[in-house]
Amino acid sequence: KQEVTQIPAALSVPEGENLVLNCSFTDSAIYNLQWFRQDPGKGLTSLLLIQSSQREQTSGRLNASLDKSSGRSTLYIAASQPGDSATYLCAVYYGGSQGNLIFGKGTKLSVKP
Amino acid sequence: ETGVTQTPRHLVMGMTNKKSLKCEQHLGHNAMYWYKQSAKKPLELMFVYSLEERVENNSVPSRFSPECPNSSHLFLHLHTLQPEDSALYLCASSQDRGTGRTGELFFGEGSRLTVL
Repeated sequence: KQEVTQIPAALSVPEGENLVLNCSFTDSAIYNLQWFRQDPGKGLTSLLLIQSSQREQTSGRLNASLDKSSGRSTLYIAASQPGDSATYLCAVYYGGSQGNLIFGKGTKLSVKP
Repeated sequence: ETGVTQTPRHLVMGMTNKKSLKCEQHLGHNAMYWYKQSAKKPLELMFVYSLEERVENNSVPSRFSPECPNSSHLFLHLHTLQPEDSALYLCASSQDRGTGRTGELFFGEGSRLTVL
């Protein structure tokens, strides 16, 4: 069964810290992997998309890496800010049924001022 | 308007009501999706429309009925729902790359549904 796991479920850090969020997937034959941010009661905002042929993607203070062989992706957030507080979701697409992304349950991040 | 917009943002309905959720995308995408997000569960794909044709129905109960009149609009018609159907319903869109492979997904803000 294809599953996506995100650890930890919740994380609290002081402002300014660099942090890493983890995502692991059971089947390494992925097509792409996408990281999202979700604020309370809101929809998902796409942060980064990594294709299976890529090792990492960067956007501003965010860097996502992909290691297919080990079934892992990490989202690195540099110099965290209180505005980064949200739930971060990892989703894996295996290229099968269209739109059938397998989502993790997310990591809830709290950045304290 | 930009991105993906959903209305209404909040909906409370009784089990015998009929209501509809609406989604509109302004990204020029050719595929649209309905996802369900329940408390403490991962997002679940409900319906997929590609080029206005339904591609996938992930064993969703018939009390949920999708409609896609064109590539920019998607509806979810609700009828005789159950309290366990209370959830956040999210619409998304993407550009189908011609091989049925999904590109980057863009989501709306969601419609929070409460069934009494």
